[in-house]
Amino acid sequence: SQQGEEDPQALSIQEGENATMNCSYKTSINNLQWYRQNSGRGLVHLILIRSNEREKHSGRLRVTLDTSKKSSSLLITASRAADTASYFCAPVGFQKLVFGTGTRLLVSP
Amino acid sequence: KAGVTQTPRYLIKTRGQQVTLSCSPISGHRSVSWYQQTPGQGLQFLFEYFSETQRNKGNFPGRFSGRQFSNSRSEMNVSTLELGDSALYLCASSLAVNTDTQYFGPGTRLTVL
Repeated sequence: SQQGEEDPQALSIQEGENATMNCSYKTSINNLQWYRQNSGRGLVHLILIRSNEREKHSGRLRVTLDTSKKSSSLLITASRAADTASYFCAPVGFQKLVFGTGTRLLVSP
Repeated sequence: KAGVTQTPRYLIKTRGQQVTLSCSPISGHRSVSWYQQTPGQGLQFLFEYFSETQRNKGNFPGRFSGRQFSNSRSEMNVSTLELGDSALYLCASSLAVNTDTQYFGPGTRLTVL
């Protein structure tokens, strides 16, 4: 299946701490995307990493990709209460984009 | 540019009825995808339209259908509603293909009583 599986399912941290979420997948990919969803709203694209890239940064976000292990990680540094949301990875093959079940992140003040 | 818009935002229907949801993509985007999100099943892909043609389809019964117009606006229709169809329906647009970055609308919350 092309679907990604996020780990952990839920994560609870304090403001200022770092949050790390992992994504594993099973098939070859063209790129891998991470999205955030605030409760009951649409998803927001965070970052896209291509299969020939190993690491990518965007503000407080750092994404790594290991195609040999078929895994990716999303690191949010110096987390804020506003980072509270669900985070989804989407490993992208050559057909439709399929989302995993997500990691629910709770950042407490 | 205006973002993806979905109408209506909230909808309450009863079993057996049908419903039509609408999605207007970002100007210039030609691919529109639909997703169903429920607490139990997560985010599931329904279908993708490009240039008025369905290009990909998820594993949903034939009661779920859609179409895309020449201006890239899309509608999805669910007939003979069931309680299990209660969900957040999300529409996303992208420039050319579903595998590009997806830009999501706010969703339509459908409740079936």
